[in-house]
Amino acid sequence: DVKVTQSSRYLVKRTGEKVFLECVQDMDHENMFWYRQDPGLGLRLIYFSYDVKMKEKGDIPEGYSVSREKKERFSLILESASTNQTSMYLCASSSNPGTPAGSYNEQFFGPGTRLTVL
Amino acid sequence: SQKIEQNSEALNIQEGKTATLTCNYTNYSPAYLQWYRQDPGRGPVFLLLIRENEKEKRKERLKVTFDTTLKQSLFHITASQPADSATYLCASPGRSGNTGKLIFGQGTTLQVKP
Repeated sequence: DVKVTQSSRYLVKRTGEKVFLECVQDMDHENMFWYRQDPGLGLRLIYFSYDVKMKEKGDIPEGYSVSREKKERFSLILESASTNQTSMYLCASSSNPGTPAGSYNEQFFGPGTRLTVL
Repeated sequence: SQKIEQNSEALNIQEGKTATLTCNYTNYSPAYLQWYRQDPGRGPVFLLLIRENEKEKRKERLKVTFDTTLKQSLFHITASQPADSATYLCASPGRSGNTGKLIFGQGTTLQVKP
C-alpha cells in the first residue's frame, strides 16, 4: 500500500520559533510537494521538488524553505514562525509525467499537519 | 492569470439522488483534469482523470465530463450515499504544461442526507 507520512498530525508552536515539518514517501517518486490549505483559499503550493537537492518555489514561498537530501524525504522549514502561518500543511508526491507510473500525474497526499502558531 | 474554480457553496442532496459538481477553468486550456476526494482532517485522494480529447469517463458510480468549449468539467455521483459526503477537488496542470505541478480548485463540499 503506497504511503506518504508526515511527522506530526498536530503541532503548536510559538511566534519566532523555527519549525520543521517532515514528509516521507515510500513510492520512489521523483516529485514532492508542500501545500498549505486554508478555508476558502484551497490548496496553495509552497514549494516543489523534482529531484534530490532540486527545488522550485511555488505560489507562496515567503517565510518558508525546504530541504530534500534524500529522494524519499522532503522537509518544510518555517525559519521564524508567525501567526499567519497557522494552517493545515499537506505533503504530496508523484511520479514524473511521461513515465508509465506518472501517466495520470496523480498526487499522493499525506494526512496533513495542523500547525497552530501562538 | 490561469484559474480553476469550483462552487464554494456546500451542496446538500438526498440519498439516492445524483450529485453534480462543477469545475470551471479560465485563461488556459489544460490537457486533462483530475478529481480528488478529501475527507475532514485528511489529505485528498485521487479519483479520476479525464483528458481533453475525452468527453466522458466513468468509474463505478462516478462520471466525469470535460467540455473544452464551455471550459468546464462536471463530476457526477449517481445513487449518492451518506458515505459520499466529503469535499471534492478539481485539479489540472497549469499553463506551463505537464511539469508535475497541479493547480487545485477550492473544493466543493457535498453533504448527502439519509
